[in-house]
Amino acid sequence: DVKVTQSSRYLVKRTGEKVFLECVQDMDHENMFWYRQDPGLGLRLIYFSYDVKMKEKGDIPEGYSVSREKKERFSLILESASTNQTSMYLCASSYAGRGNEKLFFGSGTQLSVL
Amino acid sequence: AQSVTQPDIHITVSEGASLELRCNYSYGATPYLFWYVQSPGQGLQLLLKYFSGDTLVQGIKGFEAEFKRSQSSFNLRKPSVHWSDAAEYFCAVGRGYGGATNKLIFGTGTLLAVQP
Repeated sequence: DVKVTQSSRYLVKRTGEKVFLECVQDMDHENMFWYRQDPGLGLRLIYFSYDVKMKEKGDIPEGYSVSREKKERFSLILESASTNQTSMYLCASSYAGRGNEKLFFGSGTQLSVL
Repeated sequence: AQSVTQPDIHITVSEGASLELRCNYSYGATPYLFWYVQSPGQGLQLLLKYFSGDTLVQGIKGFEAEFKRSQSSFNLRKPSVHWSDAAEYFCAVGRGYGGATNKLIFGTGTLLAVQP
């Protein structure tokens, strides 16, 4: 069974802390994504990676960075957490190419920044 | 720019009743369209997708959706709702350029409640 695993279900951090959110997929997918989900705003794409060490900014990359050193792992980094980054963060993965647009999502990490 | 609108924030239906969730998109060419469902505490799961061909697409869990180009709509339907269908539903459009068709743009979601 396909699996996208996010390391933490709930996380509480303080303003100014550096925060790492980890995501691992076991499907050998080329593409990985980080979205944030906020009530009334739906899901918004933060960053996208289409290969190891390759990344593209999404719609709301400000305040975030990413790392993909291995194909199965995609990390989201909040360099200096702020209260407006309190949100649900969803990781997803997929195969590359047209016809492979099915995204597989993790269960999410609810981050609270105090 | 591409966008997706889900005009209904919250819908309540009775168990056994029919369901239609609305989705309108803005896109210049033929869009790639999707419906995802998010059950409480879970990630999103793909219900169905439309790329081309037959405008009525069947998905999992008894859902279907109809692509209507003239109305820029991709509404989700189910003839008889079950209590387990209570969840949040997201419509999405693929950006459709280069290899980035899976950089999806999501709507704001419709929260479905099912009453006995």
